[in-house]
Amino acid sequence: QSVLTQPPSASGTPGQRVTISCSGSSSNIGSNYVYWYQQLPGTAPKLLIYRNNQRPSGVPDRFSGSKSGTSASLAISGLRSEDEADYYCAAWDDSLSGPVFGTGTKVTVL
Amino acid sequence: EVQLVETGGGLIQPGGSLRLSCAASGFTVSSNYMSWVRQAPGKGLEWVSVIYSGGSTYYADSVKGRFTISRDNSKNTLYLQMNSLRAEDTAVYYCARDVAATGGWFDPWGQGTLVTVSS
Repeated sequence: QSVLTQPPSASGTPGQRVTISCSGSSSNIGSNYVYWYQQLPGTAPKLLIYRNNQRPSGVPDRFSGSKSGTSASLAISGLRSEDEADYYCAAWDDSLSGPVFGTGTKVTVL
Repeated sequence: EVQLVETGGGLIQPGGSLRLSCAASGFTVSSNYMSWVRQAPGKGLEWVSVIYSGGSTYYADSVKGRFTISRDNSKNTLYLQMNSLRAEDTAVYYCARDVAATGGWFDPWGQGTLVTVSS
């Protein structure tokens, strides 16, 4: 059971900006870093954002992360067809003593 | 190149056992935190277990007492022994390097291996 809540879907046309939210609580997002993963169809998840807003090398700067209180967001600017994927947030949960994932958001490029 | 390759998945009857393997290259398993994460068909991601570099192990409540994580340093390989399997354990199982022990920071991931528990 996912502890972090994300909208099931988001969409946009090529070039648009899309934002995905991730809502948690004081025991997870409120007190720990947030991570974001991209899962292209039929493939394994890939790290997209670490420590709230840092991009691993090779991840385009079109992807950006932010955190405020017990919520976090992933923004995709200049949306491209290859961005069609499922996106998951993750954070450590102090109450559960383990990492928890978001419910996932499917991004569609119209 | 840093890479993880899982093997060992398959079809197993409820109550049965299966051992998954995750061979690492490009880094040393024993010097890192390593986790298993699973994804039921059409569902989201669920953390399963972690082994710390010092050898301590931790499990999600859903698998505690049934699954055992271990590693073979000589083979640079991570394992997940799964016993008393249930239908709800059906999922793609991924191994991943757990960059920060208390994080949710997994990088890289293997390609995954499918475990199907069904009679």
